[in-house]
Amino acid sequence: EVRLVQSGGEVKKPGESLKISCKASGYTFSTYWIGWVRQMPGRGLEWMGMIFPGDSNTRYSPSFRGQVTISADKSINTAYLQWSSLRASDSAIYYCARPMIYDNRLGWFDFWGQGTLVTVSS
Amino acid sequence: DVVMTQSPLSLPVTPGEPASISCRSSQSLLHSNGYNYLDWYLQKPGQSPQLLIYLGSNRASGVSDRFSGSGSGPDFTLNISRVEADDVGVYYCMQGLHIPCTFGQGTKLEIK
Repeated sequence: EVRLVQSGGEVKKPGESLKISCKASGYTFSTYWIGWVRQMPGRGLEWMGMIFPGDSNTRYSPSFRGQVTISADKSINTAYLQWSSLRASDSAIYYCARPMIYDNRLGWFDFWGQGTLVTVSS
Repeated sequence: DVVMTQSPLSLPVTPGEPASISCRSSQSLLHSNGYNYLDWYLQKPGQSPQLLIYLGSNRASGVSDRFSGSGSGPDFTLNISRVEADDVGVYYCMQGLHIPCTFGQGTKLEIK
C-alpha cells in the first residue's frame, strides 16, 4: 500500500527557517517523482515543484523558485520542503503528492500525504 | 501559466440527482499521444485531495462509476450521475501538460 506520511504542524515566527518532511512507503521511492502542493487558508491548490529522488532532478514552479527548496533523501525514502526565512504569507497547508509522469508530462497525482499546517506569526 | 476556470463555484444538489462541473483551459491540453492532460480531484472536508479522473476520462482506482469525465480542449466536464451525501466537498480540475501544472479555483458541492 502506497503511503505518504507528513511531519506534524509547525508554528514559526517570521524570519525563522523550517524544513518539513514527507516519508514514503509501499513503492520504490527512488523511481517516482514526488511533489509539493500549497493550499493557503480557504484557498485552492498551487503546485510548487517536484523532485526525482533517484538523481535529485528538481523542477520548480516559477512562482516558488527561489522561495523554497525541495530535496529528498532516498536512503530513508523521505522528501523535504524547506524555507530559509519564513514570511506570514507562507502560512498554509502543504501537501506532498506523487505525480505520475506519462509520456514525459505530468499526468496526475495518484497519492497524497495528509498535509502539514504551517503557521507563521509573530 | 495556463488558467483553469471552473463553473459553477458553488453547486447545491439534491441527493439522487445528477451534477455537472465545467472546467475551461486557456490553452490546449492535448498531447501528441491523443490524451488530454486534464484531471479531476475531490477534496472532502478536512481531508487531502483525492484523484477521481485522470487524462480526461479515466477513472482512478476505486472511484465509483457514478463519476465520469469528458471533453476536449478547451472545455471539460465532470459528471456525477447520482449525487450521494458522501460526494460533498470541493472539486478541482488540474492540467499537467504545461509546467507549471495549474488547478482550477474549485467547485464546492453541497447537499440541498
